[in-house]
Amino acid sequence: AQSVTQLDSQVPVFEEAPVELRCNYSSSVSVYLFWYVQYPNQGLQLLLKYLSGSTLVKSINGFEAEFNKSQTSFHLRKPSVHISDTAEYFCAVSGPGGSNYKLTFGKGTLLTVNP
Amino acid sequence: IAGITQAPTSQILAAGRRMTLRCTQDMRHNAMYWYRQDLGLGLRLIHYSNTAGTTGKGEVPDGYSVSRANTDDFPLTLASAVPSQTSVYFCASSVRRGNEQFFGPGTRLTVL
Repeated sequence: AQSVTQLDSQVPVFEEAPVELRCNYSSSVSVYLFWYVQYPNQGLQLLLKYLSGSTLVKSINGFEAEFNKSQTSFHLRKPSVHISDTAEYFCAVSGPGGSNYKLTFGKGTLLTVNP
Repeated sequence: IAGITQAPTSQILAAGRRMTLRCTQDMRHNAMYWYRQDLGLGLRLIHYSNTAGTTGKGEVPDGYSVSRANTDDFPLTLASAVPSQTSVYFCASSVRRGNEQFFGPGTRLTVL
């Protein structure tokens, strides 16, 4: 079985400050990892993903996440946030399990960027 | 159509009524999913379909049914709605199960 823990349900920060949203997972097999973002009253959008290769992955809007296998983590970071980054962020994990590839989501972290 | 569409956008429904939420994708993805999103609980998988003609149960399937007659459509039916089914419902699809998923805009359902 696999699971995802997002350690913070809410993260308030000021504009232009750095931010880290924490995500830990558990799985007995190799995994794919994802971060999704949900803006108010919208569906989820893929922000970035780790499938294989370089452990540091980046999005087009300045977010990055690093896959750390030994710590089973995939924390999301941004060095300087904008008001427009205010949204809920979901970490998700999937992995092979016979025919049961399953995408498991964390419960989300609400990032609020204040002026 | 581009991506995934869902209908209706929102609905208020009396308890005991039957309701079908519609989902259509035009990306020719093999796998499709239905989730419900509730405050503090994140997204929970209701049902999924790996390919046309097959369906499977997710974490919270009770009270819901699905069908997958073709690649594009994946309707979710509530046979007899109850207030605990008040939620926001998201449909999603992926090339195959386990790959990144693409989400629709959601349906906000209120059961009174």
